[in-house]
Amino acid sequence: GDSVTQMEGPVTLSEEAFLTINCTYTATGYPSLFWYVQYPGEGLQLLLKATKADDKGSNKGFEATYRKETTSFHLEKGSVQVSDSAVYFCALNKAAGNKLTFGGGTRVLVKP
Amino acid sequence: GAGVSQTPSNKVTEKGKYVELRCDPISGHTALYWYRQSLGQGPEFLIYFQGTGAADDSGLPNDRFFAVRPEGSVSTLKIQRTERGDSAVYLCASSLMKGTDTQYFGPGTRLTVL
Repeated sequence: GDSVTQMEGPVTLSEEAFLTINCTYTATGYPSLFWYVQYPGEGLQLLLKATKADDKGSNKGFEATYRKETTSFHLEKGSVQVSDSAVYFCALNKAAGNKLTFGGGTRVLVKP
Repeated sequence: GAGVSQTPSNKVTEKGKYVELRCDPISGHTALYWYRQSLGQGPEFLIYFQGTGAADDSGLPNDRFFAVRPEGSVSTLKIQRTERGDSAVYLCASSLMKGTDTQYFGPGTRLTVL
């Protein structure tokens, strides 16, 4: 079945550091890929998405590129802030189906 | 506009009891989804409605779990004979249409079964 694997956390960084969270997927067909973020005490929010190979999603300084050849969708940010401290979830959605399949989440802690 | 709302935000019950969790989707969204998130894990799909009908209920863990959406808007997730292993955060999401359209999540209901 479909699955998403992302790096385990927690990831602890200093402010202004570079952030990468690895995400790889297994799926038949051509899924859409998503990054959701869960800030402390809040619900899941869509951060960015990409619907086809080589698409780049971006939002709030975060970027991720849909790489079909490596089945990856790694999340990056060039300079993190304390406010980026959250749990990040990679997910996929099959065109033929409708459910989101999530990875296990990566907790990121940014220290001042 | 208003987002997805879920009530109650917290529910504590005893093993063996029956519970109902409610979801109000974004107005006009025809697709509604339920997920369950255990501590430290990603959300897991339970059931998806398109309009009033359950289009995919493959994620329901057993027949103690049931969900309805009688008028194509509000949905209720029902759990019979609750077990301690049912303790989790139950998330509801809605989207404008099926397929790859973005799903918008509610804040969740934290269920604790004692």
